[in-house]
Amino acid sequence: QITLEESGPTLVKATQTLTLTCTFSGFSLSTTGVSVGWIRQPPGKALEWLTLIYWNDDRRYSPSLKTRLTVTKDTSINQVVLSLTNLDPADTATYYCAHGGDWGYYFDYWGQGTLVTVSS
Amino acid sequence: QSLLTQPPSVSGTPGQSVTISCSGGSSNIGGNTVNWYQQLPGKAPTLLIYSNKHRPSGIPDRFSGSRSGTSASLAISGLQSDDEADYYCTSWDDSFNGHVFGTGTTVTVL
Repeated sequence: QITLEESGPTLVKATQTLTLTCTFSGFSLSTTGVSVGWIRQPPGKALEWLTLIYWNDDRRYSPSLKTRLTVTKDTSINQVVLSLTNLDPADTATYYCAHGGDWGYYFDYWGQGTLVTVSS
Repeated sequence: QSLLTQPPSVSGTPGQSVTISCSGGSSNIGGNTVNWYQQLPGKAPTLLIYSNKHRPSGIPDRFSGSRSGTSASLAISGLQSDDEADYYCTSWDDSFNGHVFGTGTTVTVL
């Protein structure tokens, strides 16, 4: 079965760079059509899509964050890494990674999420 | 990017039906399929409806989705206490080639 798990720091300081890792199993990110996305949710607020990386290394970014975001993959160890630079307390959120279904048009499996707090 | 617009909350009594609307534009809902997620309190979202009206395995047929023009709807029939959750619509947006999420709707079972 497909599982995903996010890992990384729980507390980071403003202006620093956040690096989160999504470790997955049950699928390969080298298989045609497969993708992994990142979504975040500030406490008490709505979900916000961040980025999507495809099997062919094509990437999509949220236009409001694309200058600060980078997503990479390592298919040999089934991981996707998200980097977010120049952190602000407004980046405090639970960060989720998710498997993209149907060529990435929806997310059919999600990790449990990891809460990241950005201190000023 | 603009969010899809949903009502902040809807409520109903057990057994009733409720509908959640999702309003977008020509670059998203108007030209792409709509998906819905359910987020139970303190949990990660789960896929509820994909490609406008399809239910993943295990999702009861009390949940149904539809799309018309630049809007979509999620209907919940036979409302149950377990349905108390936040619901989000999403679609692909051609203006930036990425996902756009709705503002979210909290369903309360009275």
